[in-house]
Amino acid sequence: EVQLVQSGAEVKKPGESLRISCEVSGYSFTTYWISWVRQMPGKGLEWMGRIAPDDSNNNYSPPFQGHVTISVDKSVNTAYLQWSSLKASDTAVYYCARHGGTPAVDIWGQGTMVTVSS
Amino acid sequence: QSALTQPPSASGSPGQSVTISCIGTSSDVGGYNYVSWYQQHPGKAPKLMIYDVTKRPSGVPDRFSGSKSGNTASLTVSGLQAEDEADYYCYSYAGMNTYVFGSGTTVTVL
Repeated sequence: EVQLVQSGAEVKKPGESLRISCEVSGYSFTTYWISWVRQMPGKGLEWMGRIAPDDSNNNYSPPFQGHVTISVDKSVNTAYLQWSSLKASDTAVYYCARHGGTPAVDIWGQGTMVTVSS
Repeated sequence: QSALTQPPSASGSPGQSVTISCIGTSSDVGGYNYVSWYQQHPGKAPKLMIYDVTKRPSGVPDRFSGSKSGNTASLTVSGLQAEDEADYYCYSYAGMNTYVFGSGTTVTVL
């Protein structure tokens, strides 16, 4: 069974750093791209960026470029989303999702709730 | 890269049909046959319902169908059922390995 399992909820203060993870199983990790998607409280889905696990080539949506970093560790079949300096406006649920051979994302992680508050 | 435009809400009685529009531009919806639709129930991860404009993943009922004309894509849910009450998002390839979601539509089954 294909699964994307994300790390647990986080509570951080503004200015702190954070890395959340997305561990995949059930398929060859390097075959399909992984995207990250933000959903702020009560709001819609926003595509943040994607990474190709085989060569770490990535693309970001302009609002997120420079504020987050997407990376992978092929040795543990895991993708990461990280911030060097969190803001209160980063409070949201973050989903990882797999591009299963087409531009669509077909399998989603369960989501990671990130709360940033002083 | 602005969000695709969807109506905030749509509704229908059980058994009826509802159609949700998704308006983009020639740089996204109109430029590629890579529109997908996602269903999201409260507190849950989104679920893929339609991909590549008209294709249904295995397990998605054939009550769900997709289409596209120009810069506008549409999702139709026929024979509405109570479990179809959810938020629906369109999503399109936007070139240069980037993607964009729609603003989302809440479907209510009356």
